[in-house]
Amino acid sequence: KQEVTQIPAALSVPEGENLVLNCSFTDSAIYNLQWFRQDPGKGLTSLLLIQSSQREQTSGRLNASLDKSSGRSTLYIAASQPGDSATYLCAVRRDNTDKLIFGTGTRLQVFP
Amino acid sequence: DAGVIQSPRHEVTEMGQEVTLRCKPISGHDYLFWYRQTMMRGLELLIYFNNNVPIDDSGMPEDRFSAKMPNASFSTLKIQPSEPRDSAVYFCASSFRQVWNEQFFGPGTRLTVL
Repeated sequence: KQEVTQIPAALSVPEGENLVLNCSFTDSAIYNLQWFRQDPGKGLTSLLLIQSSQREQTSGRLNASLDKSSGRSTLYIAASQPGDSATYLCAVRRDNTDKLIFGTGTRLQVFP
Repeated sequence: DAGVIQSPRHEVTEMGQEVTLRCKPISGHDYLFWYRQTMMRGLELLIYFNNNVPIDDSGMPEDRFSAKMPNASFSTLKIQPSEPRDSAVYFCASSFRQVWNEQFFGPGTRLTVL
């Protein structure tokens, strides 16, 4: 059974810091991994999707990496801003399935 | 594109009443997913459809829950009768197989059952 863990559960940092959020999964037979952002009371916004054959994806100040063999992904946020405050969720899609298995999320607060 | 549309955004009802949640996926998407989110259990997949056909409903908690997708642009999730423990935020998401099934979520329906 695939299990997805995110560490830390919560993070509070001053504006301008570079951040690393971690996601680990127990079964390396994944098809892809998706990072989402969720603002309080809102839906999930897709940030980045990494295929199993890829090592990383970048979008603006965000960079997601994937090490499938070790069951890990990291989301790197450069020069954090208060607007980055949200909960970040990773989700993995296993091979031969259309389902996403979600982690429990990292709640990020960036203060001015 | 308007994105995934859900209605209503908020629903307050009394125990025993029927509740119907609605979802319009992104045009052209061939997958539709229904999720439930609570503080205790996080995000749970309830059911998903491919080309309007239910593929996996193993996450549906009990027979009180049912979902339909009569056409490519509309789906409903029905709870009958509702119970207080059904209180949660219900999300609909859609995806397109040809773009690696990247899922896009709607804003959710916050359901409160009194």
